[in-house]
Amino acid sequence: DGGITQSPKYLFRKEGQNVTLSCEQNLNHDAMYWYRQDPGQGLRLIYYSQIVNDFQKGDIAEGYSVSREKKESFPLTVTSAQKNPTAFYLCASSTGAGGSPKNIQYFGAGTRLSVL
Amino acid sequence: SQKIEQNSEALNIQEGKTATLTCNYTNYSPAYLQWYRQDPGRGPVFLLLIRENEKEKRKERLKVTFDTTLKQSLFHITASQPADSATYLCALEGGNTGFQKLVFGTGTRLLVSP
Repeated sequence: DGGITQSPKYLFRKEGQNVTLSCEQNLNHDAMYWYRQDPGQGLRLIYYSQIVNDFQKGDIAEGYSVSREKKESFPLTVTSAQKNPTAFYLCASSTGAGGSPKNIQYFGAGTRLSVL
Repeated sequence: SQKIEQNSEALNIQEGKTATLTCNYTNYSPAYLQWYRQDPGRGPVFLLLIRENEKEKRKERLKVTFDTTLKQSLFHITASQPADSATYLCALEGGNTGFQKLVFGTGTRLLVSP
């Protein structure tokens, strides 16, 4: 069954702690994305990666870090520098720049992060 | 600055009626416009994509229009059903070649009553 798997579904962070959210896809997509969703706000782009070993900052990258060592995986670390981490985090993938339409995004089920 | 506006108030309609949701944008020239459905606590699911040179796109009970002069897209669900209740997001993509990010609206919540 192809798709995007995010884990865990719920995550709690203590003060000063870094936490890592997992995102795995088996769609053979080149591009992957991390979004943050807060109530009443649209999806805001944190980081994106067009290809393995390459990633770029999105609109709200401060306090977050990512890696893209494998095509299938794009983990997001919420660092202690992110002072307001409570939100719903969504990972997505798309085929990337090749082909048309190139940017239809497939989303995971999300991770809800709360601060203890 | 670039802005995408969707009605933040929920749209309440009765089963069987046509639901119409609006997506307006400013300071943007998208080559594509996409619509997604999001259920509570879940990730968005892609529904339809319309290109700037297309006026209308249909898929089963769904219809999307794209007016680049008015800078507006309308999303219609005909013969609506309670199962259509969800939040609907529009998303814009730029027109340059190469990699383009999607920019999402805040979404409009649709409630279909039996």
